[in-house]
Amino acid sequence: AQSVAQPEDQVNVAEGNPLTVKCTYSVSGNPYLFWYVQYPNRGLQFLLKYITGDNLVKGSYGFEAEFNKSQTSFHLKKPSALVSDSALYFCAVRDNQGGKLIFGQGTELSVKP
Amino acid sequence: GAVVSQHPSWVICKSGTSVKIECRSLDFQATTMFWYRQFPKQSLMLMATSNEGSKATYEQGVEKDKFLINHASLTLSTLTVTSAHPEDSSFYICSAIRLAVYEQYFGPGTRLTVT
Repeated sequence: AQSVAQPEDQVNVAEGNPLTVKCTYSVSGNPYLFWYVQYPNRGLQFLLKYITGDNLVKGSYGFEAEFNKSQTSFHLKKPSALVSDSALYFCAVRDNQGGKLIFGQGTELSVKP
Repeated sequence: GAVVSQHPSWVICKSGTSVKIECRSLDFQATTMFWYRQFPKQSLMLMATSNEGSKATYEQGVEKDKFLINHASLTLSTLTVTSAHPEDSSFYICSAIRLAVYEQYFGPGTRLTVT
C-alpha cells in the first residue's frame, strides 16, 4: 500500500531563516509526489510536484522540494521564510490506481517575525 | 490556473435535514472529482471518487446512503449529506482532475455545522 508520512506535526522558524518540512513516502513503482499548502478555512493550493526528471523541483512562492529516491524522501524547502508562509502543509502521493491522492498528516508551519 | 468552486462556502443546518454541496470546475472539464472530509488541523480523508455519468466509488467506512454523490456533468459534482447529525459537522473539500495536465485542483471547501 502506498503511504506518505510527515514526521513533524509542527515546525517553527524565524522569519528570514531557511525552512524545511519533511516528507517520506512508500510506494510501489515510480512515485508521483506533491506538496500543497492550506490556509485557515480554505482549500488546498498546489505548490509543486515531482513526476520525473530533476530531483530538485521548484514551485510556487519560492518553495522547492528535493526528491531523494534512496531515502524515499521529498522534503519541502525555502531559503528564506516569510511570516505569510505560516500555514498547514501537506505532502501527497498519487495512487497508481484511480489517480486519487494519499495525503500525509500535515505539518503546521509557524514563521515568527 | 484551473479553478474549482464550491457552494455554499459555509452552511448551518438542523439535525435531521439534508444539505447539498456543489463542486464546479469553472474553466475545464473534469471526468473525475473527489470528495474529502477534514477535521480541524487534521489531514484530508478521501470519502469518494465521483466519475461523470457513473456511480461514485466510496472509500471503506463511508456510508453511501448518507453521503449521496452525483456527477451529472463534466463540470459539476454534488455531495448531499442526508439526515445530517452533529457528528457530520466538518469541512468538506472537493477536487477535480484536469486531464490535460493530470493535476488535481481543489475547491475552497465548505464548512458544515449541524446543530
